[in-house]
Amino acid sequence: DIQMTQSPSSVSASVGDRVTISCRASQRISSLLAWYQQKPGKAPKLLIYTASGLQSGVPSRFSGSGSGTDFTLTISTLQPEDFANYYCQQANNFPLTFGGGTKVEIK
Amino acid sequence: EVQLLESGGDLVRPGGSLRLSCAASGFTFDTYAMSWVRQAPGKGLEWVSSISISGDNTYYAGSVKGRFTISRDISKNTLYLQMDSLRAEDTAIYFCAKARGYYYFDYWGQGTLVIVSS
Repeated sequence: DIQMTQSPSSVSASVGDRVTISCRASQRISSLLAWYQQKPGKAPKLLIYTASGLQSGVPSRFSGSGSGTDFTLTISTLQPEDFANYYCQQANNFPLTFGGGTKVEIK
Repeated sequence: EVQLLESGGDLVRPGGSLRLSCAASGFTFDTYAMSWVRQAPGKGLEWVSSISISGDNTYYAGSVKGRFTISRDISKNTLYLQMDSLRAEDTAIYFCAKARGYYYFDYWGQGTLVIVSS
């Protein structure tokens, strides 16, 4: 199984900050990676697909990059509504696997 | 508007069975793969199972293989998850999700809670 390791597990930031979350795959997954945002009590929301594709309706302050084993989600200017949990997910192989999550908290 | 509505979650004893349903609307159900993803209380996301567009191919997490069965009824626009031999560690919110192209999940239901406890 492909292990997905996210870092950091939590980050404290202020509105207006730039936030970067990393995701590392235990083996190469090409660009078959997605990023999700989840708020408490809600279903996850797809932000980024195929490593850098912005899902329709998602603000352009969210961006993704990377290929192979190392990937990054960047929030360029953190907004109040961005405080949430973020997960990466590989779609290269079954079983599909998620990273452990990163909690973006208010500083 | 795409809508996914799960149902069937309940409190069940260890070793018991449950069938979850996911009613889909707002898109052509028979042209997308579908999946189940779960989330234990206070934990992260765990993929459970996926079914291909045709329904001919099914995939399972190791933790549920041999106990869970995914299926779809095109005539009813409904996705199912039959869960047998349930264990305490199956306790979670179960989300139904529509696949976008590769197995990325672009739409999710609100989830249904399964509690396995004696």
